[in-house]
Amino acid sequence: KAGVTQTPRYLIKTRGQQVTLSCSPISGHRSVSWYQQTPGQGLQFLFEYFSETQRNKGNFPGRFSGRQFSNSRSEMNVSTLELGDSALYLCASSLGQPTDTQYFGPGTRLTVL
Amino acid sequence: AQKVTQAQTEISVVEKEDVTLDCVYETRDTTYYLFWYKQPPSGELVFLIRRNSFDEQNEISGRYSWNFQKSTSSFNFTITASQVVDSAVYFCALSEAWGPYNTDKLIFGTGTRLQVFP
Repeated sequence: KAGVTQTPRYLIKTRGQQVTLSCSPISGHRSVSWYQQTPGQGLQFLFEYFSETQRNKGNFPGRFSGRQFSNSRSEMNVSTLELGDSALYLCASSLGQPTDTQYFGPGTRLTVL
Repeated sequence: AQKVTQAQTEISVVEKEDVTLDCVYETRDTTYYLFWYKQPPSGELVFLIRRNSFDEQNEISGRYSWNFQKSTSSFNFTITASQVVDSAVYFCALSEAWGPYNTDKLIFGTGTRLQVFP
């Protein structure tokens, strides 16, 4: 079974631009969660989607948004990029029951210049 | 409030040494799950183990073992006879079974960087 895939793996953007990251979950998984990892803040939960609905959201500004498609693939969008958005963005998928194990993708490393 | 503390920022050992990574958690829930993930330099978080709050049995998987003690809110991870390939950052995480949104949400510790030297 293929694992979680994320594209692109690396991105370089400039301040003010917007970016879209993509995540394809493990086949059969209906929940997709997004996390931001930075040296200063560590791993922080961004949001979770289940059956195309956002079920939970972390403490991030509205510039961070996401969506999930009917095939469970998910995209995350960050508008008006700031230098502080430079991070590794990790996507995880699970079956969708609370506390099911989340399996992570390789991440997208975003650099904002 | 939920919180996971990994007090050890970095540990260095020589190959074949045993090493224990500490994890202390806080939660008000009686039902919760604890996880350990490994993050090698490639960046992907690799799942290692999941343990629910009702199962305090220690677990052993090859050179890895986990000690869960509810009385001290700890879930420690021991690598026996460490190898260079064990070098990575290890994260402990907590998930509550009945959070307000009944969803998947992991609360991570800050991680422990383990360096194993030959």
